[in-house]
Amino acid sequence: DAGITQSPRHKVTETGTPVTLRCHQTENHRYMYWYRQDPGHGLRLIHYSYGVKDTDKGEVSDGYSVSRSKTEDFLLTLESATSSQTSVYFCAISEEGLITEAFFGQGTRLTVV
Amino acid sequence: RKEVEQDPGPFNVPEGATVAFNCTYSNSASQSFFWYRQDCRKEPKLLMSVYSSGNEDGRFTAQLNRASQYISLLIRDSKLSDSATYLCVVTDNNNDMRFGAGTRLTVKP
Repeated sequence: DAGITQSPRHKVTETGTPVTLRCHQTENHRYMYWYRQDPGHGLRLIHYSYGVKDTDKGEVSDGYSVSRSKTEDFLLTLESATSSQTSVYFCAISEEGLITEAFFGQGTRLTVV
Repeated sequence: RKEVEQDPGPFNVPEGATVAFNCTYSNSASQSFFWYRQDCRKEPKLLMSVYSSGNEDGRFTAQLNRASQYISLLIRDSKLSDSATYLCVVTDNNNDMRFGAGTRLTVKP
């Protein structure tokens, strides 16, 4: 299995609080992604990174920010969590962008109450 | 219209059956195509890439029809362990992977 870990695995937080999810990889892959998965929608891209300090928005980026200060770490921050951000969040990595296989972390189940 | 559409199922089949899933995509400029498998409460994992010429991996066969903009997955001799959700994935450019909502398969003894 690809060396990719997400933390925390589960989190319950209150509306209005900031939350940061971490994705850590040991594969030295250039590309890193954050997705959210909701019933009936499939996985949707939030933000992605194509190198250290190089990030861009995805399909559902509103309310989220990211940072990548090192190759191995990609952080997703919910500045002020809302109930609509209750979801399962997956981090993914790929070596050559999405024309090749993407490897996913085990997911973070976030509940905003 | 969703960019990638799949029949959500569920497909309930007996062991040994052959089952086929289809997926349609809306962007004719799409470049790469994949089937991922996702077990309950787990992360997606690549099952196979899909090529224009079609490709086979053991009991699994994937095909792409660019003219009609659909891809298919055929599973022969279904096993209990094939029970999962199968995700159709289409890549439009280097940084945007579009997922279907998934087709759920249950293989029963």
